[in-house]
Amino acid sequence: EAQVTQNPRYLITVTGKKLTVTCSQNMNHEYMSWYRQDPGLGLRQIYYSMNVEVTDKGDVPEGYKVSRKEKRNFPLILESPSPNQTSLYFCASSLTGGRPDAIDTGELFFGEGSRLTVL
Amino acid sequence: KQEVTQIPAALSVPEGENLVLNCSFTDSAIYNLQWFRQDPGKGLTSLLLIQSSQREQTSGRLNASLDKSSGRSTLYIAASQPGDSATYLCAVMTAKTGANNLFFGTGTRLTVIP
Repeated sequence: EAQVTQNPRYLITVTGKKLTVTCSQNMNHEYMSWYRQDPGLGLRQIYYSMNVEVTDKGDVPEGYKVSRKEKRNFPLILESPSPNQTSLYFCASSLTGGRPDAIDTGELFFGEGSRLTVL
Repeated sequence: KQEVTQIPAALSVPEGENLVLNCSFTDSAIYNLQWFRQDPGKGLTSLLLIQSSQREQTSGRLNASLDKSSGRSTLYIAASQPGDSATYLCAVMTAKTGANNLFFGTGTRLTVIP
Protein backbone atom coordinates (compact mmCIF):
# COMPACT_ATOMS: atom_id res chain seq x y z
CA GLU A 1 0.00 0.00 0.00
CA ALA A 2 1.30 3.43 -0.97
CA GLN A 3 1.83 5.45 2.16
CA VAL A 4 3.77 8.01 4.13
CA THR A 5 4.72 6.76 7.58
CA GLN A 6 5.69 8.97 10.50
CA ASN A 7 7.05 7.95 13.89
CA PRO A 8 6.42 8.53 16.66
CA ARG A 9 2.74 9.45 16.43
CA TYR A 10 2.75 10.94 19.92
CA LEU A 11 5.67 12.23 21.97
CA ILE A 12 6.05 14.17 25.17
CA THR A 13 9.54 15.47 25.89
CA VAL A 14 11.32 18.14 27.90
CA THR A 15 13.05 21.31 26.83
CA GLY A 16 16.49 20.73 25.36
CA LYS A 17 16.27 16.97 24.83
CA LYS A 18 17.13 16.24 21.22
CA LEU A 19 14.57 14.29 19.26
CA THR A 20 13.99 13.00 15.76
CA VAL A 21 10.69 12.42 14.01
CA THR A 22 11.09 9.94 11.19
CA CYS A 23 9.25 10.00 7.87
CA SER A 24 9.33 7.32 5.23
CA GLN A 25 7.49 6.96 1.92
CA ASN A 26 7.26 3.90 -0.32
CA MET A 27 6.18 5.62 -3.53
CA ASN A 28 9.62 6.52 -4.89
CA HIS A 29 8.72 10.20 -4.59
CA GLU A 30 11.39 12.81 -5.18
CA TYR A 31 9.72 15.57 -3.16
CA MET A 32 9.22 15.42 0.60
CA SER A 33 8.22 18.10 3.05
CA TRP A 34 7.51 18.80 6.70
CA TYR A 35 4.67 20.97 8.03
CA ARG A 36 3.50 22.00 11.44
CA GLN A 37 -0.12 22.71 12.24
CA ASP A 38 -1.13 25.11 14.99
CA PRO A 39 -4.60 26.37 15.95
CA GLY A 40 -5.48 29.54 14.10
CA LEU A 41 -2.31 29.42 12.01
CA GLY A 42 -3.05 26.48 9.76
CA LEU A 43 -0.28 24.40 8.22
CA ARG A 44 3.08 26.00 7.71
CA GLN A 45 6.00 24.49 5.86
CA ILE A 46 9.18 23.86 7.85
CA TYR A 47 11.55 22.31 5.33
CA TYR A 48 11.26 20.58 2.01
CA SER A 49 13.44 18.42 -0.20
CA MET A 50 13.29 18.22 -3.97
CA ASN A 51 15.50 15.10 -4.06
CA VAL A 52 18.29 13.25 -2.30
CA GLU A 53 20.81 15.64 -0.72
CA VAL A 54 18.70 18.65 -1.75
CA THR A 55 16.88 20.43 1.07
CA ASP A 56 15.58 23.97 1.52
CA LYS A 57 13.91 26.09 4.16
CA GLY A 58 10.19 26.62 4.22
CA ASP A 59 8.37 29.37 6.10
CA VAL A 60 9.26 28.37 9.67
CA PRO A 61 12.63 26.54 9.69
CA GLU A 62 14.04 27.99 12.93
CA GLY A 63 14.85 25.33 15.50
CA TYR A 64 14.63 22.44 13.05
CA LYS A 65 17.03 20.44 10.91
CA VAL A 66 16.42 17.88 8.21
CA SER A 67 18.45 15.48 6.12
CA ARG A 68 17.76 13.56 2.92
CA LYS A 69 20.37 10.87 2.55
CA GLU A 70 18.00 8.37 0.99
CA LYS A 71 15.07 8.97 -1.30
CA ARG A 72 12.52 7.29 0.94
CA ASN A 73 13.44 8.94 4.27
CA PHE A 74 13.22 12.55 5.44
CA PRO A 75 13.72 12.84 9.21
CA LEU A 76 12.93 16.03 11.13
CA ILE A 77 15.42 16.82 13.88
CA LEU A 78 14.83 19.09 16.85
CA GLU A 79 18.29 19.62 18.33
CA SER A 80 17.08 21.51 21.41
CA PRO A 81 13.28 21.48 21.57
CA SER A 82 11.45 24.36 23.19
CA PRO A 83 7.80 24.67 24.31
CA ASN A 84 6.95 26.79 21.26
CA GLN A 85 7.64 23.72 19.14
CA THR A 86 4.69 21.94 20.70
CA SER A 87 2.58 21.22 17.65
CA LEU A 88 1.13 18.66 15.29
CA TYR A 89 3.66 17.75 12.62
CA PHE A 90 2.96 16.32 9.19
CA CYS A 91 5.26 14.80 6.64
CA ALA A 92 4.19 14.80 3.01
CA SER A 93 5.54 13.56 -0.30
CA SER A 94 4.88 14.14 -3.97
CA LEU A 95 6.27 12.59 -7.15
CA THR A 96 8.27 15.67 -8.15
CA GLY A 97 6.67 18.44 -6.10
CA GLY A 98 5.15 19.91 -9.22
CA ARG A 99 8.49 20.52 -10.87
CA PRO A 100 7.75 22.48 -14.07
CA ASP A 101 9.76 20.13 -16.32
CA ALA A 102 8.02 17.02 -15.04
CA ILE A 103 4.73 15.40 -15.96
CA ASP A 104 3.29 15.40 -12.48
CA THR A 105 0.04 16.69 -11.06
CA GLY A 106 1.85 17.72 -7.90
CA GLU A 107 -0.57 15.79 -5.70
CA LEU A 108 0.66 15.64 -2.13
CA PHE A 109 0.31 12.59 0.13
CA PHE A 110 0.38 13.11 3.88
CA GLY A 111 1.39 11.01 6.83
CA GLU A 112 -0.93 10.55 9.82
CA GLY A 113 0.78 13.23 11.85
CA SER A 114 3.00 13.35 14.95
CA ARG A 115 1.76 15.21 17.99
CA LEU A 116 4.70 16.63 19.91
CA THR A 117 4.52 18.21 23.35
CA VAL A 118 7.59 19.95 24.77
CA LEU A 119 7.40 20.65 28.49
CA LYS B 1 3.97 35.58 -0.81
CA GLN B 2 0.86 33.55 -1.53
CA GLU B 3 -1.95 33.95 1.00
CA VAL B 4 -4.86 31.55 1.11
CA THR B 5 -8.13 32.41 2.86
CA GLN B 6 -11.07 30.18 3.62
CA ILE B 7 -14.45 31.55 4.57
CA PRO B 8 -16.40 30.70 6.64
CA ALA B 9 -14.22 29.29 9.41
CA ALA B 10 -17.08 27.09 10.55
CA LEU B 11 -20.34 25.96 9.04
CA SER B 12 -23.26 23.90 10.34
CA VAL B 13 -25.89 22.50 8.01
CA PRO B 14 -28.72 19.99 8.33
CA GLU B 15 -28.25 16.62 6.70
CA GLY B 16 -29.21 16.50 3.03
CA GLU B 17 -28.40 20.11 2.28
CA ASN B 18 -26.08 21.12 -0.57
CA LEU B 19 -23.25 23.42 0.48
CA VAL B 20 -20.33 25.42 -0.88
CA LEU B 21 -16.98 26.03 0.76
CA ASN B 22 -14.88 28.93 -0.44
CA CYS B 23 -11.15 29.41 -0.90
CA SER B 24 -9.39 32.50 -2.20
CA PHE B 25 -5.72 33.09 -2.99
CA THR B 26 -3.71 36.21 -3.75
CA ASP B 27 -1.26 35.06 -6.44
CA SER B 28 -2.86 33.61 -9.55
CA ALA B 29 0.42 32.03 -10.76
CA ILE B 30 -0.40 28.67 -9.30
CA TYR B 31 0.62 25.14 -10.28
CA ASN B 32 -2.39 23.41 -8.76
CA LEU B 33 -4.99 23.66 -6.04
CA GLN B 34 -5.90 20.80 -3.74
CA TRP B 35 -8.80 20.28 -1.40
CA PHE B 36 -8.14 18.12 1.65
CA ARG B 37 -10.28 16.71 4.41
CA GLN B 38 -8.97 16.45 7.97
CA ASP B 39 -10.74 14.58 10.74
CA PRO B 40 -9.91 15.59 14.34
CA GLY B 41 -6.41 14.51 15.31
CA LYS B 42 -5.88 12.80 11.98
CA GLY B 43 -3.88 13.39 8.85
CA LEU B 44 -4.97 15.04 5.63
CA THR B 45 -6.85 13.10 2.98
CA SER B 46 -6.72 14.46 -0.55
CA LEU B 47 -10.19 14.99 -2.00
CA LEU B 48 -9.67 16.75 -5.30
CA LEU B 49 -6.77 18.29 -7.18
CA ILE B 50 -7.26 20.87 -9.91
CA GLN B 51 -4.32 21.65 -12.13
CA SER B 52 -3.80 25.24 -13.24
CA SER B 53 -5.06 24.45 -16.74
CA GLN B 54 -8.32 22.94 -15.47
CA ARG B 55 -11.57 24.59 -14.41
CA GLU B 56 -13.11 21.87 -12.26
CA GLN B 57 -12.84 18.34 -10.94
CA THR B 58 -15.54 16.00 -9.69
CA SER B 59 -15.50 12.99 -7.41
CA GLY B 60 -18.80 11.50 -6.31
CA ARG B 61 -20.78 14.14 -4.42
CA LEU B 62 -17.86 16.57 -4.52
CA ASN B 63 -17.16 19.16 -7.18
CA ALA B 64 -14.30 21.63 -7.04
CA SER B 65 -13.96 24.61 -9.33
CA LEU B 66 -11.06 26.92 -10.03
CA ASP B 67 -11.05 30.48 -11.33
CA LYS B 68 -7.43 31.59 -11.46
CA SER B 69 -8.16 35.07 -12.74
CA SER B 70 -10.24 35.92 -9.71
CA GLY B 71 -8.13 33.85 -7.32
CA ARG B 72 -10.99 31.65 -6.17
CA SER B 73 -11.93 28.03 -5.76
CA THR B 74 -15.11 26.46 -4.43
CA LEU B 75 -15.82 23.00 -3.10
CA TYR B 76 -19.41 21.95 -3.63
CA ILE B 77 -20.78 19.09 -1.54
CA ALA B 78 -24.10 17.67 -2.64
CA ALA B 79 -26.61 16.01 -0.33
CA SER B 80 -24.46 16.38 2.77
CA GLN B 81 -24.22 13.53 5.28
CA PRO B 82 -23.12 13.43 8.94
CA GLY B 83 -20.02 11.56 7.79
CA ASP B 84 -18.97 14.67 5.86
CA SER B 85 -18.34 16.45 9.17
CA ALA B 86 -14.66 17.39 9.19
CA THR B 87 -12.35 20.30 8.52
CA TYR B 88 -11.82 21.06 4.86
CA LEU B 89 -8.53 22.62 3.83
CA CYS B 90 -7.66 24.33 0.62
CA ALA B 91 -4.01 24.33 -0.47
CA VAL B 92 -2.37 26.15 -3.34
CA MET B 93 0.88 25.03 -4.88
CA THR B 94 2.86 27.84 -6.43
CA ALA B 95 5.92 27.64 -8.59
CA LYS B 96 8.91 29.56 -7.37
CA THR B 97 12.47 29.69 -8.58
CA GLY B 98 14.11 26.31 -8.22
CA ALA B 99 11.32 24.66 -6.29
CA ASN B 100 7.65 24.62 -5.43
CA ASN B 101 5.77 25.36 -2.29
CA LEU B 102 2.33 24.69 -0.93
CA PHE B 103 0.27 27.25 0.99
CA PHE B 104 -2.70 26.26 3.12
CA GLY B 105 -5.80 28.05 4.21
CA THR B 106 -6.83 27.70 7.85
CA GLY B 107 -9.79 25.54 6.89
CA THR B 108 -13.55 25.43 7.23
CA ARG B 109 -14.92 23.22 9.98
CA LEU B 110 -18.08 21.58 8.68
CA THR B 111 -20.71 20.02 10.91
CA VAL B 112 -23.59 18.15 9.28
CA ILE B 113 -26.46 17.77 11.73
CA PRO B 114 -28.49 14.54 11.45
